[in-house]
Amino acid sequence: GAGVSQTPSNKVTEKGKYVELRCDPISGHTALYWYRQSLGQGPEFLIYFQGTGAADDSGLPNDRFFAVRPEGSVSTLKIQRTERGDSAVYLCASSPTGPGDTQYFGPGTRLTVL
Amino acid sequence: GQQVMQIPQYQHVQEGEDFTTYCNSSTTLSNIQWYKQRPGGHPVFLIQLVKSGEVKKQKRLTFQFGEAKKNSSLHITATQTTDVGTYFCAGRDTGRRALTFGSGTRLQVQP
Repeated sequence: GAGVSQTPSNKVTEKGKYVELRCDPISGHTALYWYRQSLGQGPEFLIYFQGTGAADDSGLPNDRFFAVRPEGSVSTLKIQRTERGDSAVYLCASSPTGPGDTQYFGPGTRLTVL
Repeated sequence: GQQVMQIPQYQHVQEGEDFTTYCNSSTTLSNIQWYKQRPGGHPVFLIQLVKSGEVKKQKRLTFQFGEAKKNSSLHITATQTTDVGTYFCAGRDTGRRALTFGSGTRLQVQP
């Protein structure tokens, strides 16, 4: 594919439910990032993968949030027991080798927790 | 933790006027990147600055990295309606692997 893709584009769920958000990075990019963006704010860092491993997960707000990248390409962000405060646009980005590179962002998944 | 502040939050200019947004970090940065996000879109990379005092130009856009590597600015000369959007700086401090984004400056250009 030409760019980073994310699915679904929109997700509406009820408080307390579990959700999975998927990110398909640019082919060959070893670094993958998850951010969360609330209205009127800049992207807030959640987690960064280098290959299959989480190189920095210091941005995950609590243990309800978890992300995996088992084969070093596609990544899934998992949110358990969703809360209304989790509502935001979840952005994924990838870069060729690491944080010093240009990051290419996907279109995001808009999560709404009712 | 590291904080990145941007001012102003919002600026409304007439087409043809200049525009500047400023970015300040609480810690020394190893590099700084600038992104543009159009309404309803996702951030798109504009440029990266690495060296102290570095200045880079892209057509009407001029980017500067401060001598102390704690601040940066983006200046747009003679704004056009296509410049509308939110401009974010994102810095990586020397001890951290991830970028910290500022809160952005939203630019509105009146034709």
